[in-house]
Amino acid sequence: AQSVTQPDIHITVSEGASLELRCNYSYGATPYLFWYVQSPGQGLQLLLKYFSGDTLVQGIKGFEAEFKRSQSSFNLRKPSVHWSDAAEYFCAVGALQTGANNLFFGTGTRLTVIP
Amino acid sequence: DAGITQSPRHKVTETGTPVTLRCHQTENHRYMYWYRQDPGHGLRLIHYSYGVKDTDKGEVSDGYSVSRSKTEDFLLTLESATSSQTSVYFCAISEPITQGNTEAFFGQGTRLTVV
Repeated sequence: AQSVTQPDIHITVSEGASLELRCNYSYGATPYLFWYVQSPGQGLQLLLKYFSGDTLVQGIKGFEAEFKRSQSSFNLRKPSVHWSDAAEYFCAVGALQTGANNLFFGTGTRLTVIP
Repeated sequence: DAGITQSPRHKVTETGTPVTLRCHQTENHRYMYWYRQDPGHGLRLIHYSYGVKDTDKGEVSDGYSVSRSKTEDFLLTLESATSSQTSVYFCAISEPITQGNTEAFFGQGTRLTVV
């Protein structure tokens, strides 16, 4: 069965500091992996995705993530955090069923940015 | 947001009453999904649709039914609402993964409170 683990419930970083959010997945086949961001009271916005090919993927807002099959991980990184990055971040794995993009989400990591 | 409208955005209802949430899309995407979001659980798939009148269950489908009579509309019904169904409900849409499209677009969410 597919599952996603985000071990950090809440992370606090200083503005300008680097950021790494951890994500580990369990999936029996080649995974489709995603990072979404959710601001308070809003829907989810896709930051980046891994479908195939280059294991280092670039996303919007200066985020990147690296797929490591040997570690079953897809960690999200940003070299310098901005106050506007404060939000909740969700890692998800896609399970291909009849072409549907059924997503299994982690429980999320809430990011607080301090000045 | 990719042409997805959820209605209502907020609803308070009493235990035992039926409730229907509506998702309307203007993107003509084939797949539509209903997720619920709860603290400590992330988002979990309730039901999804892969075409008009074609639906299937997700991981938390008990107590919910869905219908899709038109490409653009996907309805989620709680036949007899319970307090455990208090949640934020998100609709999502996507194209088939087999066409190389791997992104699901999310609506703004509906906050449902069952008292």
